[in-house]
Amino acid sequence: DSGVTQTPKHLITATGQRVTLRCSPRSGDLSVYWYQQSLDQGLQFLIQYYNGEERAKGNILERFSAQQFPDLHSELNLSSLELGDSALYFCASSAGSGGLGDTEAFFGQGTRLTVV
Amino acid sequence: AQSVTQPDIHITVSEGASLELRCNYSYGATPYLFWYVQSPGQGLQLLLKYFSGDTLVQGIKGFEAEFKRSQSSFNLRKPSVHWSDAAEYFCAALGVNAGNMLTFGGGTRLMVKP
Repeated sequence: DSGVTQTPKHLITATGQRVTLRCSPRSGDLSVYWYQQSLDQGLQFLIQYYNGEERAKGNILERFSAQQFPDLHSELNLSSLELGDSALYFCASSAGSGGLGDTEAFFGQGTRLTVV
Repeated sequence: AQSVTQPDIHITVSEGASLELRCNYSYGATPYLFWYVQSPGQGLQLLLKYFSGDTLVQGIKGFEAEFKRSQSSFNLRKPSVHWSDAAEYFCAALGVNAGNMLTFGGGTRLMVKP
C-alpha cells in the first residue's frame, strides 16, 4: 500500500458527461501529480500541484482541470468526455516541490475511466 | 524532443533465468533516471533511481540498473527472475531543467515461464 488513495477505482460514463476523480496523498506529502495511462499514449503527465498551487502543467486538455484543496487532497475534473478519454488515471504524491526527482513519489492504484 | 524509449514491448523469460530490460533516453543533458514496476491492478512502484555518482544502482526486489552515458542507456537487470516479477516495467526520466514532467517510456511487459 503506497498510502495514496484514489477514488473511485472504476468509472463508466457516457460521452459528453463530466466526472471528478479524487486523490488523497500520503500523509505529509505536499505535491500531487496526475498522470494518464492509455494504450496509445502510454503514461502522460497531466499536472502537478504543490501545497494548493499549480506547479507544472503537462499534456492536459482544456476540457480537463484540477485543483488541490487546503487538506491537500486533489480532484481531477474531466468534462465533455470523449471515447478517447478512456484511460487509467493515476495520482502520485511526494513530499517535495521540485518534481519527482528530488524525492520519491508514491503512486495510487489509479481510476479506470471508461467512456461509452 | 526529450524522450524515453523501451525497445521491447514484451519479454518472456524462464523462472531462474537472468533478465535485462532496455531503456534509452534522449535528452540534452543527463536526466535523472528511474525504473518503476506496475503489477496488474496496481499503481507504479519505484524500483530504483539514478541521479549521479556510481553508475551501477541497486534497487529493491533484487533489481539493479546500469547507467551508460556513452550509450544513453539505463538498462534494468536481475540475475534470477522469480514468477512474482511478472509485471510491466517502466523506465522514466526527469530532465534537470524540464520542470516537473517525468517522462515515461512505453513500458515492457515481462512474462515469466515456470
